[in-house]
Amino acid sequence: GENVEQHPSTLSVQEGDSAVIKCTYSDSASNYFPWYKQELGKRPQLIIDIRSNVGEKKDQRIAVTLNKTAKHFSLHITETQPEDSAVYFCAVPDGGYQKVTFGIGTKLQVIP
Amino acid sequence: EAEVAQSPRYKITEKSQAVAFWCDPISGHATLYWYRQILGQGPELLVQFQDESVVDDSQLPKDRFSAERLKGVDSTLKIQPAELGDSAMYLCASSLPIQGTGANVLTFGAGSRLTVL
Repeated sequence: GENVEQHPSTLSVQEGDSAVIKCTYSDSASNYFPWYKQELGKRPQLIIDIRSNVGEKKDQRIAVTLNKTAKHFSLHITETQPEDSAVYFCAVPDGGYQKVTFGIGTKLQVIP
Repeated sequence: EAEVAQSPRYKITEKSQAVAFWCDPISGHATLYWYRQILGQGPELLVQFQDESVVDDSQLPKDRFSAERLKGVDSTLKIQPAELGDSAMYLCASSLPIQGTGANVLTFGAGSRLTVL
């Protein structure tokens, strides 16, 4: 099965600074890479995703970059705001039948 | 906006009792997942259905957990008997395939938080 590693497990940044979270995977056949955000007490929600045919995708203050050769992808949040405080999970397709394996999560704290 | 419905939202039970969780996926979503999320960790897949068939239950503790999706629509996850270590959030998700990738976009329900005393 897929081996997904996510770093760091916790991250504190000052409001306005940038945050970067990295995820590595093992199966070179993976071709779709989403990021989910889970606010305290709420469900995980998809915030951005990228397919393997592109190297970067941006959506306002968030972006995801993909390095297929090195088998890692990263979430970038710029101009962080207190409402960005949450746990962020990367996810990777794992084998057939669209199984999805999640990383352990990164708890992001944005300090006002 | 269509949502994945789950009930109950909260369940407190004593160990050795039976518990059951229900999930109603978004209409038309053929794939349904049950995940367990322990506080501070990522979701861990328990069982995955494609229509009414189980396609992955490799991480389901089958001595005490069971899951069914009889008509390929809603699903029930049961634990009997519950143990202290089963305390967690049980998340249901459903998905649609993404064309050209073989991957799925998951939509999660609000979850069922289980506390075993």
